[in-house]
Amino acid sequence: QKEVEQNSGPLSVPEGAIASLNCTYSDRGSQSFFWYRQYSGKSPELIMSIYSNGDKEDGRFTAQLNKASQYVSLLIRDSQPSDSATYLCAVGVNAGNMLTFGGGTRLMVKP
Amino acid sequence: KAGVTQTPRYLIKTRGQQVTLSCSPISGHRSVSWYQQTPGQGLQFLFEYFSETQRNKGNFPGRFSGRQFSNSRSEMNVSTLELGDSALYLCASSLGGRRGTSGRVPYNEQFFGPGTRLTVL
Repeated sequence: QKEVEQNSGPLSVPEGAIASLNCTYSDRGSQSFFWYRQYSGKSPELIMSIYSNGDKEDGRFTAQLNKASQYVSLLIRDSQPSDSATYLCAVGVNAGNMLTFGGGTRLMVKP
Repeated sequence: KAGVTQTPRYLIKTRGQQVTLSCSPISGHRSVSWYQQTPGQGLQFLFEYFSETQRNKGNFPGRFSGRQFSNSRSEMNVSTLELGDSALYLCASSLGGRRGTSGRVPYNEQFFGPGTRLTVL
């Protein structure tokens, strides 16, 4: 059973809309949570990190963490065609840097 | 500040051969992690090195090994290559250390290099 789950998509949203990406994880000992964006043929790019319950905002991006429900989400406001990519959720359990990744959600923003 | 660099970017090998991949982390970063990405399995953790010591290891066979040098540069080696080893190999660097010692700076945010595309024929 995969430990980090994401809907593979594609999630299609019109330009200017809010894109909502979700991720659930199974290990209650998880301590750190990350969202990466990966364009086709490129390596993952870190866009958000979150460690505590609640919301964390950075520009058009908001990460939300709910440890009791074991989910983390990413909201992208004012979506742009350039946001079209695969978004990877990653979860860290221990004090080291072993991250478990979800399968990714493909986002398509249509002009 | 320069990003993570990986060499070579592309490799073609045949079954049974071995390969060594190199990763130079961001200056000041002491932790290097290696991942394998394939269309079927996604991104999977191989191992992490911090201060020249393997700190974490994923669920890969012993054919996959690595090391880290005193300047934090890391190498990954795969021996007796199999067709299924064809993948994008990514390294990621982070500050490392423990949460408390890094103050308010996220200590384990990982930044990926461009990857090495390995094809095994």
